Amino acid sequence: GNSVTQMEGPVTLSEEAFLTINCTYTATGYPSLFWYVQYPGEGLQLLLKATKADDKGSNKGFEATYRKETTSFHLEKGSVQVSDSAVYFCALRQGAQKLVFGQGTRLTINP
Amino acid sequence: NAGVTQTPKFRILKIGQSMTLQCTQDMNHNYMYWYRQDPGMGLKLIYYSVGAGITDKGEVPNGYNVSRSTTEDFPLRLELAAPSQTSVYFCASSSHRQGLLTDTQYFGPGTRLTVL
Repeated sequence: GNSVTQMEGPVTLSEEAFLTINCTYTATGYPSLFWYVQYPGEGLQLLLKATKADDKGSNKGFEATYRKETTSFHLEKGSVQVSDSAVYFCALRQGAQKLVFGQGTRLTINP
Repeated sequence: NAGVTQTPKFRILKIGQSMTLQCTQDMNHNYMYWYRQDPGMGLKLIYYSVGAGITDKGEVPNGYNVSRSTTEDFPLRLELAAPSQTSVYFCASSSHRQGLLTDTQYFGPGTRLTVL
């Protein structure tokens, strides 16, 4: 079945550091791929998405490129801020609107 | 525009008690979902609904029931609470229209449930 694997956390960085959170997936066909962010005490919010191979999703300085050859959708940001501290979830959707989530990666940014 | 609202925010139950988690959305979305999030884990789908009167099981439906009598509301019922149901529960909704491939799911703030 479909599955998503994220890099294990927690991840701790200093402000202005470069961020990469790895995400790989297993699916048949061509799923849509998503990154969701969960700030403390809140529900999940969509951060960015990509619907086909080589698409790049971007939002708030974050980017991720849909790589079908490596079945990956890694999240990157060039310069992180303290306000980026949150839990990040990679997810895929294939049919019937059902999302499959990775286990989440907790990110902490120190000033 | 409130989006997706959930009540209560927190609840402690004793084993064997029952309760209903409420979820309401005001975006006229046809799809609604219930997920649970266990510590250090991603979200797992419990039940979902594609419209009023239609519900279907997700990945982890055992111990739960749902109903969808209106477009706006999608309550989740726990009949006999067990410690394994201690989790954070999220409701979500999305709008799926024919020909539109990537509809965003909007999440509520969650209900933290503890069963002792």
